[in-house]
Amino acid sequence: DIVMTQTPSSQAVSAGEKVTMSCKSSQSLLYNENKKNYLAWYQQKPGQSPKLLIYWASTRESGVPDRFIGSGSGTDFTLTISSVQAEDLAVYYCQQYYNFPLTFGSGTKLEIK
Amino acid sequence: EVQLVESGGGLVQPGRSLKLSCVASGFTFNNYWMTWIRQAPGKGLEWVASITNTGGSTYYPDSVKGRFTISRDNAKSTLYLQMNSLRSEDTATYYCTRVDGGFAYWGQGTLVTVSS
Repeated sequence: DIVMTQTPSSQAVSAGEKVTMSCKSSQSLLYNENKKNYLAWYQQKPGQSPKLLIYWASTRESGVPDRFIGSGSGTDFTLTISSVQAEDLAVYYCQQYYNFPLTFGSGTKLEIK
Repeated sequence: EVQLVESGGGLVQPGRSLKLSCVASGFTFNNYWMTWIRQAPGKGLEWVASITNTGGSTYYPDSVKGRFTISRDNAKSTLYLQMNSLRSEDTATYYCTRVDGGFAYWGQGTLVTVSS
């Protein structure tokens, strides 16, 4: 099974600050035939269903603000929020869809100071 | 507009069965793989089961294999999850999702509580 490790587990930032969070996979998520990384990022706000932010490691889902930036390849991935807003209070999960069993990271909880 | 609406959750005793449903609308259901994902109270996300667009193949993690069965009725645009031999650790909100590059669409979830 591919293990997804997210760090930090929680982070507190002020509005307007830049925040980065990490996701590492126990094996490469890069499929050589199409050069795509099978990695997605989700945002889950309190009391809501998760929302897809990023897929293929760096492709922003339609309607997602451009302050959300996904980067990385292979086993190391990063979600950056360039200027955090109060509404970004949420837990952020990464997920690999390279193979079964599909696995998620344990999440990074973003708190706004 | 894509909509996924789950139902069928509730309180069930350990060892008993429950069947969840998810009615899809706003897209051509038989073009997409579908997946169930669950979230225990206060915990993270766990993949539960996936099914191909035709229903010809299904996939499960070891934690539910042999106890849960995912199925679909493309004529009714409905996804199912039959859960047998339920355990306390199956207590969670169960979400129906559409498989895209990642899971772009989620239902609101249905809560399953396994307790005596």
